[in-house]
Amino acid sequence: EAGVVQSPRYKIIEKKQPVAFWCNPISGHNTLYWYLQNLGQGPELLIRYENEEAVDDSQLPKDRFSAERLKGVDSTLKIQPAELGDSAVYLCASSQRGIGDTQYFGPGTRLTVL
Amino acid sequence: QQQVKQSPQSLIVQKGGISIINCAYENTAFDYFPWYQQFPGKGPALLIAIRPDVSEKKEGRFTISFNKSAKQFSLHIMDSQPGDSATYFCAASKGGFKTIFGAGTRLFVKA
Repeated sequence: EAGVVQSPRYKIIEKKQPVAFWCNPISGHNTLYWYLQNLGQGPELLIRYENEEAVDDSQLPKDRFSAERLKGVDSTLKIQPAELGDSAVYLCASSQRGIGDTQYFGPGTRLTVL
Repeated sequence: QQQVKQSPQSLIVQKGGISIINCAYENTAFDYFPWYQQFPGKGPALLIAIRPDVSEKKEGRFTISFNKSAKQFSLHIMDSQPGDSATYFCAASKGGFKTIFGAGTRLFVKA
């Protein structure tokens, strides 16, 4: 069974530039999460989707961050414009509906903003 | 009230020894307490988890001890091996979805 797929794995951009991250969850998983992980810290939830619906986006900085999950499968997280403080690892995770406790994480995208 | 406090930040253990990582939480509404293991360049992976209706859960060399009255739980790794060297995160969730992670413990097992 394929795990959660994320791309790109690494991204280096100049500040004020836009950037997008892509996630393909495990087949059949209806719940999708985007997390932010700063160096030496635990993951922090940015947004959670149930199918196409964003059911928890309270921690998403909406002035510069946006996300979408069209058709309830793949998801994209965008930052525009990026700031120096956005340098971090962006993790995507998925879980089955009704078994939301077990989250399966992708390898993450390491973003460096110069 | 949403925080999960984890200690120590780092831990060095001899091969064959016991590794112990501790966590404390405030919110009594949390009903699920997982531990995740993360290797460099990888995402966290679920290691073992417990619910507050039991005081201990063991899976192989990994044991969670849970103290509901003290709002604390810990991970014990018995017979620690160099391959266990990783970062470990405790976490707590309410309703299975809103998961709060601790800051992590970097474990190094010396051969």
